Amino acid sequence: ETGVTQSPTHLIKTRGQQVTLRCSSQSGHNTVSWYQQALGQGPQFIFQYYREEENGRGNFPPRFSGLQFPNYSSELNVNALELDDSALYLCASSLVGSSYGYTFGSGTRLTVV
Amino acid sequence: AQSVTQLDSQVPVFEEAPVELRCNYSSSVSVYLFWYVQYPNQGLQLLLKYLSGSTLVKGINGFEAEFNKSQTSFHLRKPSVHISDTAEYFCAVSGSSGSARQLTFGSGTQLTVLP
Repeated sequence: ETGVTQSPTHLIKTRGQQVTLRCSSQSGHNTVSWYQQALGQGPQFIFQYYREEENGRGNFPPRFSGLQFPNYSSELNVNALELDDSALYLCASSLVGSSYGYTFGSGTRLTVV
Repeated sequence: AQSVTQLDSQVPVFEEAPVELRCNYSSSVSVYLFWYVQYPNQGLQLLLKYLSGSTLVKGINGFEAEFNKSQTSFHLRKPSVHISDTAEYFCAVSGSSGSARQLTFGSGTQLTVLP
C-alpha cells in the first residue's frame, strides 16, 4: 500500500510568480485535501476535491486553485505569489465512506522571496 | 464552524514521566476528533481518532485520549514518555456528516522529552 507522495519537496519562488504543487493520493483513496501550514502554526484547510470537483473550501482567495485527476492525483496552483504564501503545503487523501482517516504526505516547503 | 484550542504551546517533561497534552474544541454539530504528530520536516501522522462509542481511545506508540463531551475536551495522555516522543502534536476536529469533512487544527503543542 503506497502512501501519499508530494512533489517537489522544496521550492523557492519570487513574489508575483505562479507555482504548481503535485500530490499522488494513497492507493484506493478518492478524496484529496490541501492544507497550508505556516511556520509555528497548525495546518489550515485550503480545499478538498472529490470526484474531480471541489466540494469544500477554506478561507483562501481564488488565486489558490486545484485539480483532481481521474487517477485521484491532484495539483495545487497558486497565482500571483505573495510573501505570506511561504509555508509547508500538505496534501491529504481519504476514502469517502471508510472508517475515516486522512493520510498526509510529507509536504512541499514553499519559500517566496 | 468548529475551532480547536490547545492550551499549552510547549510542554517539557522528563523521560519516563507521564504527560498530558490538553485540547478543547467548540462546535455546533457532532464532531470527530483526532490527534496528529509531526516530526521535524515531516508531514502529519495520525496518533488516534474518536468517531463514536467508547470515550477512551487508544492509539499508536502508547498514547490514549479521552473524549469528554460535557467539557468539550479531548486530552492526550501517555503514562511514560520516551526521548523519541519529542515532536509537535496537533489536535483536530471535523464535522461528522457530509462529504466535505475538512479538519480544523489547533495551533499545536511542542512536546520536548528531556533526558
